[in-house]
Amino acid sequence: GENVEQHPSTLSVQEGDSAVIKCTYSDSASNYFPWYKQELGKGPQLIIDIRSNVGEKKDQRIAVTLNKTAKHFSLHITETQPEDSAVYFCAASSSGGSYIPTFGRGTSLIVHP
Amino acid sequence: DAGITQSPRHKVTETGTPVTLRCHQTENHRYMYWYRQDPGHGLRLIHYSYGVKDTDKGEVSDGYSVSRSKTEDFLLTLESATSSQTSVYFCAISEERVRADTQYFGPGTRLTVL
Repeated sequence: GENVEQHPSTLSVQEGDSAVIKCTYSDSASNYFPWYKQELGKGPQLIIDIRSNVGEKKDQRIAVTLNKTAKHFSLHITETQPEDSAVYFCAASSSGGSYIPTFGRGTSLIVHP
Repeated sequence: DAGITQSPRHKVTETGTPVTLRCHQTENHRYMYWYRQDPGHGLRLIHYSYGVKDTDKGEVSDGYSVSRSKTEDFLLTLESATSSQTSVYFCAISEERVRADTQYFGPGTRLTVL
């Protein structure tokens, strides 16, 4: 089955800096890569996703990049703000399989004011 | 937020007792999922449902059972709770008419087994 590795497990940045979270996946059939943000005491919320026919996608201060050859994808947050502090999860799934995503173990992002 | 509610939101119980957690959705989505979240493990799939009365096991299904008698409700039962089942449980939904692989999560249930 699919295996998703996520790094780092904890990331501490100063407000205004950029943050990058990286994930690798093992199944070359995976073609959908969502990112979720989980604030304290809440359920994960989808913030951005990318499909394998696209190399990069942006939404305001967040962007995701995908390298299918290397089987890795990354989340980039620019101009970080304290409200970006949360746990971020990457995931990978295949439309040719059960559609059920495999999640990374999460990255705790701390943005210091 | 997607129309997903979970009940109860917090529960403390004793080892050996049965526990049922409820997930209720108002989105009429076909797929429903139960995950558990533990430090260092991320989100792990317990069971999922692809329609009324259609369910299947996930990677950590031992000790859990599920039922789905209506589209909107998905129940997770711990048949005889153990301390290792202390966790935060999340329900999620998805819909193939939109994108089956995009999941929307409920607010979670924190379960403590003493």
